[in-house]
Amino acid sequence: KNQVEQSPQSLIILEGKNCTLQCNYTVSPFSNLRWYKQDTGRGPVSLTIMTFSENTKSNGRYTATLDADTKQSSLHITASQLSDSASYICVVSDRGSTLGRLYFGRGTQLTVWP
Amino acid sequence: EADIYQTPRYLVIGTGKKITLECSQTMGHDKMYWYQQDPGMELHLIHYSYGVNSTEKGDLSSESTVSRIRTEHFPLTLESARPSHTSQYLCASSGPTGNGANVLTFGAGSRLTVL
Repeated sequence: KNQVEQSPQSLIILEGKNCTLQCNYTVSPFSNLRWYKQDTGRGPVSLTIMTFSENTKSNGRYTATLDADTKQSSLHITASQLSDSASYICVVSDRGSTLGRLYFGRGTQLTVWP
Repeated sequence: EADIYQTPRYLVIGTGKKITLECSQTMGHDKMYWYQQDPGMELHLIHYSYGVNSTEKGDLSSESTVSRIRTEHFPLTLESARPSHTSQYLCASSGPTGNGANVLTFGAGSRLTVL
């Protein structure tokens, strides 16, 4: 069964600190992996997208890594800000259909305290 | 500035009422989607569309229906709302990126509460 598992479920850090969120997946055949940020009461916003051949991608203070061999990805947030408080969702797409079916994780709820 | 718009953002209605959640996008995307999301849970696909006059049911069974008469418009309708329909409904559309992968752009969501 294709699955996407994220850890930790929730995380609290102090402003200015770094953190790393994890995503493990079993989706096969793999097409790409995306990280989304979802603020409370809003829709998810894309942070990064990586294909099989990419193992790291940055977007400002966000850096995503991908190890397609171990089927693991991480999202590293540097110098956290209060505005980083949100749910971070890992989404994996397969190559099994024209639509490219998407498998969603349940997200990691990050809270940044001042 | 959002390119995909959902209305209403919040709706509280009584059981048995008919409701329509509106979704419009200005990006010219062919593919559009409706997801259902409950607190702390993953998004579940309930409907999708490849283009005008194309609609398909998603992974999660839903009593709602959709239509796609125009490229930019993808409304979702519940003929008779029940408390079990209480949820957040997210509309999305997708177009190809430079590497060919479809990236979803989400609306802000419609939070439905059925009493």
